Amino acid sequence: DTAVSQTPKYLVTQMGNDKSIKCEQNLGHDTMYWYKQDSKKFLKIMFSYNNKELIINETVPNRFSPKSPDKAHLNLHINSLELGDSAVYFCASSQDVDSGNTIYFGEGSWLTVV
Amino acid sequence: GENVEQHPSTLSVQEGDSAVIKCTYSDSASNYFPWYKQELGKGPQLIIDIRSNVGEKKDQRIAVTLNKTAKHFSLHITETQPEDSAVYFCAASFYGQNFVFGPGTRLSVLP
Repeated sequence: DTAVSQTPKYLVTQMGNDKSIKCEQNLGHDTMYWYKQDSKKFLKIMFSYNNKELIINETVPNRFSPKSPDKAHLNLHINSLELGDSAVYFCASSQDVDSGNTIYFGEGSWLTVV
Repeated sequence: GENVEQHPSTLSVQEGDSAVIKCTYSDSASNYFPWYKQELGKGPQLIIDIRSNVGEKKDQRIAVTLNKTAKHFSLHITETQPEDSAVYFCAASFYGQNFVFGPGTRLSVLP
């Protein structure tokens, strides 16, 4: 039973295309995130949703649009893909404000834009 | 905002030796400090964490120490094994909000 699952794991697409990455968590957590990991392994937060509401939106091009149909799902849609969007995208979740708010990560989605 | 620095960026040790990775943070309000291990092709996995009311925590071969005054915390791995080879990330947050990650340390344990 995967706690945070995201699909697809690998995605190769051409510049200009639109693509989506789906994420689901079965931990009952209130908060979900999207992180981007570049080639240097740096983890940078993109978005954070708490109970379907956007609470963090870092400086990310508006070509990236997260959608949370319910608190167990947070999907990432990317329009007009660019070469620089190539990276690993991690979905994650955590419980709401409390002691022990560990972030649990999915296995990652490797996006390659050609 | 919070800024987390992590050193060294790469670390090679002989199997059986100890490894130490250090992180510093800037926001004195941060009170939760987890460490993650990322193996090749996988997502980061929590290996140990520490809260600001504790100075040290151990879990078998892994320990974390926290110095709130100096605003730094360290990961200690003893008796390293080849399967400890991975990228390690530290992070800082305030009550589990707004996690900020360090840039990572690539640890190689040489047999």
